[in-house]
Amino acid sequence: GDSVTQMEGPVTLSEEAFLTINCTYTATGYPSLFWYVQYPGEGLQLLLKATKADDKGSNKGFEATYRKETTSFHLEKGSVQVSDSAVYFCALSDRSNTGKLIFGQGTTLQVKP
Amino acid sequence: EADIYQTPRYLVIGTGKKITLECSQTMGHDKMYWYQQDPGMELHLIHYSYGVNSTEKGDLSSESTVSRIRTEHFPLTLESARPSHTSQYLCASSALTGESEQFFGPGTRLTVL
Repeated sequence: GDSVTQMEGPVTLSEEAFLTINCTYTATGYPSLFWYVQYPGEGLQLLLKATKADDKGSNKGFEATYRKETTSFHLEKGSVQVSDSAVYFCALSDRSNTGKLIFGQGTTLQVKP
Repeated sequence: EADIYQTPRYLVIGTGKKITLECSQTMGHDKMYWYQQDPGMELHLIHYSYGVNSTEKGDLSSESTVSRIRTEHFPLTLESARPSHTSQYLCASSALTGESEQFFGPGTRLTVL
């Protein structure tokens, strides 16, 4: 079945460092891909999405490109801030009528001043 | 901004009690979901609904039950709470089209003593 694999956390970075969180997927067909962020004590918020190959999603300085050839959707940010500390989830939508999302296991990011 | 609400935000309850976790959304979304989030942050889909009078079991077996009598309301009930039910419960909703993002509520953190 469809699945999403994220890099293991926690990831600890200093402020202004470059961030990459790897995400790869297995799916039949052409799923839509998402990155969600969860701040402490809150629900998930959509960070960015891409619906077809070579699409680049971007928001708040974060970017991810839908790479069909490598089945990847890696999250990047050029300069992280302490306020980016959160748990990041990669997810895919199977495009069926259920609208179900399949989530990766989440990657905790801690940014130190 | 997403308008999806969960109450209570925190609940501590004794074993054997019946509890209902409330979830409401004001976006008119047909699809609604319940996730259980374990301490390792991984998300597991336990119930979903396509619309009024529709309920389906998710990927993770759960002793909870759900109902969908109104579009905006998707409560989750545990008839007899046990310590193994201690977890974070997240509700989400999405529009009817297959690729729509899911909007999440803030979650209910349940502790069963």
